[in-house]
Amino acid sequence: DAGITQSPRYKITETGRQVTLMCHQTWSHSYMFWYRQDLGHGLRLIYYSAAADITDKGEVPDGYVVSRSKTENFPLTLESATRSQTSVYFCASRTGGSYEQYFGPGTRLTVT
Amino acid sequence: QKEVEQDPGPLSVPEGAIVSLNCTYSNSAFQYFMWYRQYSRKGPELLMYTYSSGNKEDGRFTAQVDKSSKYISLFIRDSQPSDSATYLCAIVNAGNMLTFGGGTRLMVKP
Repeated sequence: DAGITQSPRYKITETGRQVTLMCHQTWSHSYMFWYRQDLGHGLRLIYYSAAADITDKGEVPDGYVVSRSKTENFPLTLESATRSQTSVYFCASRTGGSYEQYFGPGTRLTVT
Repeated sequence: QKEVEQDPGPLSVPEGAIVSLNCTYSNSAFQYFMWYRQYSRKGPELLMYTYSSGNKEDGRFTAQVDKSSKYISLFIRDSQPSDSATYLCAIVNAGNMLTFGGGTRLMVKP
């Protein structure tokens, strides 16, 4: 199906482990984004990418790494997970010619 | 001061009521505004997208921008239980990224 998908949908991991969250979109949108959503903080931008091989930091990038070797994929890696990274993570995408972003279903990550 | 502020609610209304959801923003230079709806345990979905001032209508939903007051509103007419969700306002900030309000939780009771 066309659209934006995220995997896994739920993940439990331990402190210190590396975790990678996957995001895939079929629209060929040039821009892709990673947000985290926490009570009291709303949606906050972690990283974004304007095109393949171009990434940039958002509001809360510390502890996260991204890459974008293909236009359709934008994985987010937590190199050494901490409890403060327990959150719901959303991937989003948009075209280069508009500001409207379209969101994936989210990944609920718990770090124990 | 946050760029976008939104009352978290919850806002509880009876079915059929007119709902008014509001956000304030800090920078008068902002020109693009959006409303997203987010059901529980789902991703945000785009509802309305407006540019500059004035009203935009789409079915039961009307988005309104008052740039002089730096105030944006979403009105829902004839509210339905299926409208129960969290509504997020968003502005396109100076870096051409979206800044979101914290969301208002709406409950429409049958």
